[in-house]
Amino acid sequence: KAGVTQTPRYLIKTRGQQVTLSCSPISGHRSVSWYQQTPGQGLQFLFEYFSETQRNKGNFPGRFSGRQFSNSRSEMNVSTLELGDSALYLCASSLPSYGYTFGSGTRLTVV
Amino acid sequence: ELKVEQNPLFLSMQEGKNYTIYCNYSTTSDRLYWYRQDPGKSLESLFVLLSNGAVKQEGRLMASLDTKARLSTLHITAAVHDLSATYFCAVDRGTSNSGYALNFGKGTSLLVTP
Repeated sequence: KAGVTQTPRYLIKTRGQQVTLSCSPISGHRSVSWYQQTPGQGLQFLFEYFSETQRNKGNFPGRFSGRQFSNSRSEMNVSTLELGDSALYLCASSLPSYGYTFGSGTRLTVV
Repeated sequence: ELKVEQNPLFLSMQEGKNYTIYCNYSTTSDRLYWYRQDPGKSLESLFVLLSNGAVKQEGRLMASLDTKARLSTLHITAAVHDLSATYFCAVDRGTSNSGYALNFGKGTSLLVTP
C-alpha cells in the first residue's frame, strides 16, 4: 500500500519568489492536511482539505494557500517567499478514527 | 485555543532504565496521537488513542490516555539506544463540519546512552 507522497523533497528558492508543493495521499483517503515545522515554532497546522474543500485553516498569512483536486491530491503554494518560510513542510492524509499518516516532507530553504 | 504541553522537553537516560513522558492538553478531546521523529526525517506514527482509558503497547513503548485528566503518557521500558529520537504528542478536536487539525506539543528529545 503506497504511503503519502510529497514532491519535491528539497527546494531552494530566493526571497520574493513563489513555490508550489505537492502531496498525494494514501489511496482512499480524502482528507489532506498540511503542517509547517521550524525549530522555533515547532509543528504548526496550515490547512486541511476534504473533497476539494478547505475545511480548516491555521493562523498563517494569506501568502500561504492550497487546493485539493478531485483525485484528492493536494498542492500548497507560498507566494512572495520570506526567509522565515524556510521550514519542513509536511503533508498528512487521514481517515476518521485511523489517525494521520505523514509524507516524507518537503524541505524548503529560502535564501 | 487548544494547547498541548509535553514534559520533559529533553531527556537523557541510560540504557535499561524506565521513564515516562507526559502530555497535557487544555481542552476536552478524545483523540490523541504519538509520533516519533528521527533527525531530518518525517513523523512516524506510534500510537492512536481514541477513547478514555485507552492503552496501547508496542515493544518497549506503552501509551495511555486519560481524557478526564486531559493527560496522556508515553512510558519507555528498559530503554535501548534505538529509541533515541524526538517524540511528539498531538491532539485533534475537529469535527467533520469544522474540519480537523492536529495540535502538537513541542516534542521530547530523547537520548539513550550506554
